[in-house]
Amino acid sequence: AQRVTQPEKLLSVFKGAPVELKCNYSYSGSPELFWYVQYSRQRLQLLLRHISRESIKGFTADLNKGETSFHLKKPFAQEEDSAMYYCALTGTSYGKLTFGQGTILTVHP
Amino acid sequence: DVKVTQSSRYLVKRTGEKVFLECVQDMDHENMFWYRQDPGLGLRLIYFSYDVKMKEKGDIPEGYSVSREKKERFSLILESASTNQTSMYLCASSPRANEQFFGPGTRLTVL
Repeated sequence: AQRVTQPEKLLSVFKGAPVELKCNYSYSGSPELFWYVQYSRQRLQLLLRHISRESIKGFTADLNKGETSFHLKKPFAQEEDSAMYYCALTGTSYGKLTFGQGTILTVHP
Repeated sequence: DVKVTQSSRYLVKRTGEKVFLECVQDMDHENMFWYRQDPGLGLRLIYFSYDVKMKEKGDIPEGYSVSREKKERFSLILESASTNQTSMYLCASSPRANEQFFGPGTRLTVL
C-alpha cells in the first residue's frame, strides 16, 4: 500500500529564515511525487512535481529514493508563503493521488 | 484556464437526508475525483472516475456513491447523511495521469 507521511502538523519560521517541510513516502514501485499548496481562502493548487525539477516561488524539492523522502525547501521564507502544504504521491496510470496529512506553514514578519 | 466548479460553497443538512454534491469541469478532462479534507487527516479519496459511467472506489467509499453521466460532471451522493460526514469536500479533475485541478470545495455540515 502507498503511504505519505508529513511529520509536522505546524511549522513556524520568521521571514528570511530557511524552511524545510518534510515528506516521507512508502511505495513499492516508481512513484511520482508532488507538492500542493492551499493559501487562505484559495483552492488547492499544484506547487511542483519532482519530474519537472523546477523551482517554483523559490521552492525546490528533491526526490531521495534511498531515504524515500521528498522534502520541500526554500532558503528565505516570505510571509506570503504562509499556507497549508500537502505532499502527494501517485503510482497509477489514472493519476490517483495519495496525500499526506498536511503541514501548516506560518511565516512571521 | 481550467475551471472546476462545485455547486455549493456551504451546505447544511440533517441526519438521514440524501445529499447531492455536484462538480463540473470545463476542460474535457478524462479523470475526476472526490476527496474529503479533514484537519490532521489530509485529503482522502472517496471515489474517482476515469471515463463516463466508469467509477472506482477510493480509500473511504463507505456511505458514498457517485455518478458520471456526462464527461464534464461528477456527482457525489450521500444516501443517508450522518454527522461523521461533516467535512470539506473537494472535487478535482485531470487529464490522464497528470496534474489535478481542484474546485473551491463544499463545506458540508450534517446536524
